[in-house]
Amino acid sequence: DTAVSQTPKYLVTQMGNDKSIKCEQNLGHDTMYWYKQDSKKFLKIMFSYNNKELIINETVPNRFSPKSPDKAHLNLHINSLELGDSAVYFCASSLYGTGPVEQYFGPGTRLTVT
Amino acid sequence: GQQLNQSPQSMFIQEGEDVSMNCTSSSIFNTWLWYKQDPGEGPVLLIALYKAGELTSNGRLTAQFGITRKDSFLNISASIPSDVGIYFCAGSDKYNNNDMRFGAGTRLTVKP
Repeated sequence: DTAVSQTPKYLVTQMGNDKSIKCEQNLGHDTMYWYKQDSKKFLKIMFSYNNKELIINETVPNRFSPKSPDKAHLNLHINSLELGDSAVYFCASSLYGTGPVEQYFGPGTRLTVT
Repeated sequence: GQQLNQSPQSMFIQEGEDVSMNCTSSSIFNTWLWYKQDPGEGPVLLIALYKAGELTSNGRLTAQFGITRKDSFLNISASIPSDVGIYFCAGSDKYNNNDMRFGAGTRLTVKP
């Protein structure tokens, strides 16, 4: 009965590769997010997405792209991986609109680029 | 964008002591949230605050939404070893698409 799940938990890959991280939520939320947490534990929003709008943090390289096959899933594709992409990536979800904006996080995917 | 300043960066306390941490913002938020992150896990929501002046408790945790709407604090009473982790404040602004901004975190260590 995991609310927000991500796979894989760990991902080790070489520079230049393309990889994907999957995220699923069973909370019935309609907005999903991707965050990057660096080695200093700072959480930075990368994307927020619902079925109406994709909001991209302008500092995110276009090698990163979210793909949502349906409301319960938001996958993160990363092309041409670089060393600086090594971090922990968190998926989160919340309700959309003017209601409660509490975000619920997945367990994270630790990406290591060698 | 809004800047969130969270302090202290880290705390080392003895089991049984009370803890206080706070966040300040350069602009007004309409929601303040407090999260805890255990090692190797994602942040878990502890307390959500929606009204200026609101004081909310969750067990040994108490958080308040500042009257100015630019600050919030989290208190932990009678700390125990499992309180160890990183605590994050987060704020959102309905006038800014409800974007969530996170503080840099307070790393809490509790010595038995």
